[in-house]
Amino acid sequence: GEQVEQRPPHLSVREGDSAVITCTYTDPNSYYFFWYKQEPGASLQLLMKVFSSTEINEGQGFTVLLNKKDKRLSLNLTAAHPGDSAAYFCAVSVNTGNYKYVFGAGTRLKVIA
Amino acid sequence: DPKIIQKPKYLVAVTGSEKILICEQYLGHNAMYWYRQSAKKPLEFMFSYSYQKLMDNQTASSRFQPQSSKKNHLDLQITALKPDDSATYFCASSQAGQENSDYTFGSGTRLLVI
Repeated sequence: GEQVEQRPPHLSVREGDSAVITCTYTDPNSYYFFWYKQEPGASLQLLMKVFSSTEINEGQGFTVLLNKKDKRLSLNLTAAHPGDSAAYFCAVSVNTGNYKYVFGAGTRLKVIA
Repeated sequence: DPKIIQKPKYLVAVTGSEKILICEQYLGHNAMYWYRQSAKKPLEFMFSYSYQKLMDNQTASSRFQPQSSKKNHLDLQITALKPDDSATYFCASSQAGQENSDYTFGSGTRLLVI
């Protein structure tokens, strides 16, 4: 089945610096990818979803890149601020007869003021 | 207003007891899921249901039994509780059969087994 590896498990950056989180997956037939943010003690909130026809997506303060050739998905937080401190999870949609997510192990990001 | 309601928010249970975790969604979704999060396994898939039918079960133990009494409900019954069951249990929902349907997560139930 699909395997999703997420790196790094922990990341600490200074305010204003960029932070990059990467996920690699194994199933070349995966087409839909998601990034979730989980603040301490809270639930998971969708940041962005990425489809096969899209390589770059930009949101508020972050960029998501999808490289299907290398089966790699990355989240780049530009000019991180303390409010970005959270756990980030990537997810890949897998068809098992009914679509389900396979999550990465998560990255705990700390932005130091 | 929360679109997915999980109850209770916090739960303390004695080893060997039985508890039910409640999940209701008001998004009109027809697929629901349970995930478990602990220090050992960050986000672990447990069950998926579609139109009130079990689609996928990745939970090795039969002590965990999902229950769907209504199409917008997916409760989780846990019997013979063990300290290792201590975790946060998240319920989620989505549109069944749609690969691009994102999940909406509930706020979780934090279970502590003593």
